[in-house]
Amino acid sequence: GENVEQHPSTLSVQEGDSAVIKCTYSDSASNYFPWYKQELGKGPQLIIDIRSNVGEKKDQRIAVTLNKTAKHFSLHITETQPEDSAVYFCAASNNNNDMRFGAGTRLTVKP
Amino acid sequence: AAGVIQSPRHLIKEKRETATLKCYPIPRHDTVYWYQQGPGQDPQFLISFYEKMQSDKGSIPDRFSAQQFSDYHSELNMSSLELGDSALYFCASSLGQGIGYTFGSGTRLTVV
Repeated sequence: GENVEQHPSTLSVQEGDSAVIKCTYSDSASNYFPWYKQELGKGPQLIIDIRSNVGEKKDQRIAVTLNKTAKHFSLHITETQPEDSAVYFCAASNNNNDMRFGAGTRLTVKP
Repeated sequence: AAGVIQSPRHLIKEKRETATLKCYPIPRHDTVYWYQQGPGQDPQFLISFYEKMQSDKGSIPDRFSAQQFSDYHSELNMSSLELGDSALYFCASSLGQGIGYTFGSGTRLTVV
């Protein structure tokens, strides 16, 4: 089955700096890679996703890159703000039958 | 916009009791997924249903069962509860092949 690894487990940055979170996956058949932001007491909220036919996707301050050969994908947040502080999960799935999550990264953005 | 509705939001049960969690997907979504998230852990996939039939099974204990009804809502039944079952249980729904994959706010189950 799919195995997703995520690094780092915690990340602290100054407001305005960039944050990068990296994930690797094991199943070469995985073709959908979403990123979720989870705030305390809430369900994971999709912030950006990428499919295997695309190498990069950007949405304002958030971007995701995918390297299918190396089986890794990354989340980039630029110009971080305190409200970006949350736990971020990467995930991978094959035809969305189920989602396998990374272990999460607790991002703290210091004012 | 309508979201995934889970009930109850909080549930406290004693060991060996039974619990039933409910999930109401986004209208027109035909696929429901259940996840268990322990404290400080990532969500673990339990089971999914597509068009009222089980579509995939993850790390769901034999003490748990689930089904999807004709109105597409789903229920997760948990019997002989153990202390280790205390967790957040999330439901997600999507349309077909993962279109619009959305999580509910979760049910916090505490087993005492």
